[in-house]
Amino acid sequence: NAGVTQTPKFQVLKTGQSMTLQCAQDMNHEYMSWYRQDPGMGLRLIHYSVGAGITDQGEVPNGYNVSRSTTEDFPLRLLSAAPSQTSVYFCASSYEPGISGNTIYFGEGSWLTVV
Amino acid sequence: GDSVTQMEGPVTLSEEAFLTINCTYTATGYPSLFWYVQYPGEGLQLLLKATKADDKGSNKGFEATYRKETTSFHLEKGSVQVSDSAVYFCALSDQGDMRFGAGTRLTVKP
Repeated sequence: NAGVTQTPKFQVLKTGQSMTLQCAQDMNHEYMSWYRQDPGMGLRLIHYSVGAGITDQGEVPNGYNVSRSTTEDFPLRLLSAAPSQTSVYFCASSYEPGISGNTIYFGEGSWLTVV
Repeated sequence: GDSVTQMEGPVTLSEEAFLTINCTYTATGYPSLFWYVQYPGEGLQLLLKATKADDKGSNKGFEATYRKETTSFHLEKGSVQVSDSAVYFCALSDQGDMRFGAGTRLTVKP
């Protein structure tokens, strides 16, 4: 049972560098999303996708880019890393969250430090 | 917009103590409510959920009741264990994405 797999688990970047956080799920979920977790702020939604070819912005999209070319994959790109993007990032997937309490499944997290 | 407010931590209890973590929500529709748990170094795992008013979610000795009249979904456990030490998140989903509270860190001491 792979579930939601995200890589890398740890990454250190220099300011201005770009990188991609990978996320894959094997549950055939239409809905995928990226969150960042910061102390005292819970999880904040960065971007989400309701299906292949469809993406939309969440609460804190600036500085991030996403694409959804397949149902399984939903990579998150940091275009030009800034220290404010130091955080823990979680990928998640589910059937449509608003229907009948569908559960969201999370990856194990990616710890990103921007110096 | 929709939002979730949960009690600030950290919460420190002795083993076998009673636990309550308060959670209230604001939503325009009829959301589903969730409690997620995050153990150190791991992602979030669903603990329990309730999809309509007066539903009670329960799992591993934890329970929470969906109270529409008070817009609340408080988490309770009668006797906590050291292994319950984690961060607990209240969340709602309604018409789309999920909104999370800030999280409450629970530490249980032997």
